[in-house]
Amino acid sequence: SQQGEEDPQALSIQEGENATMNCSYKTSINNLQWYRQNSGRGLVHLILIRSNEREKHSGRLRVTLDTSKKSSSLLITASRAADTASYFCALTPDSWGKFQFGAGTQVVVTP
Amino acid sequence: KAGVTQTPRYLIKTRGQQVTLSCSPISGHRSVSWYQQTPGQGLQFLFEYFSETQRNKGNFPGRFSGRQFSNSRSEMNVSTLELGDSALYLCASSLTTATNEKLFFGSGTQLSVL
Repeated sequence: SQQGEEDPQALSIQEGENATMNCSYKTSINNLQWYRQNSGRGLVHLILIRSNEREKHSGRLRVTLDTSKKSSSLLITASRAADTASYFCALTPDSWGKFQFGAGTQVVVTP
Repeated sequence: KAGVTQTPRYLIKTRGQQVTLSCSPISGHRSVSWYQQTPGQGLQFLFEYFSETQRNKGNFPGRFSGRQFSNSRSEMNVSTLELGDSALYLCASSLTTATNEKLFFGSGTQLSVL
């Protein structure tokens, strides 16, 4: 499968804690993106990391990419209740194709 | 700038019927993609259109079809509905089909098949 697979499927933390989720894939990729989805709504783009990059930051988000292990991680620091959502990785294979999404990690941040 | 607009927001149909969903992309965006989201399967890619041409297609039966108009608005049609077609259908637009483009999603159409 060309889809990314997120791990864990669900994560429950308290406000102020860090949340880490991982995405593994099987093919070589052009880039990898992370998206957030609030309950029953559309997805919102968070960050893109290219295949030649190892780490990117955006606000409280930190994304790493290890192409040798075919995996990426998303770290949310100092979580807030508003971070409660599902998080998806989306990858673009380096062959012809379109974004392939995983099943997502559901994150619940309790006050 | 208005976001991606999907209509209708909710639909209830019965088995065997057909349905048409509509998506208006962000102004200036020429690529429109469709995804099916179900609790067990996550987001599954249906198809992508660019300049009225289907560029990519996912692994869905021929009952699922789509089209794009000259103003980049897109529709998808599902014929002979089955119970398993119940899902949230998401439309996403982007400026081009480049793989480093980010997608802008609509709020989706929740389809229930009874």
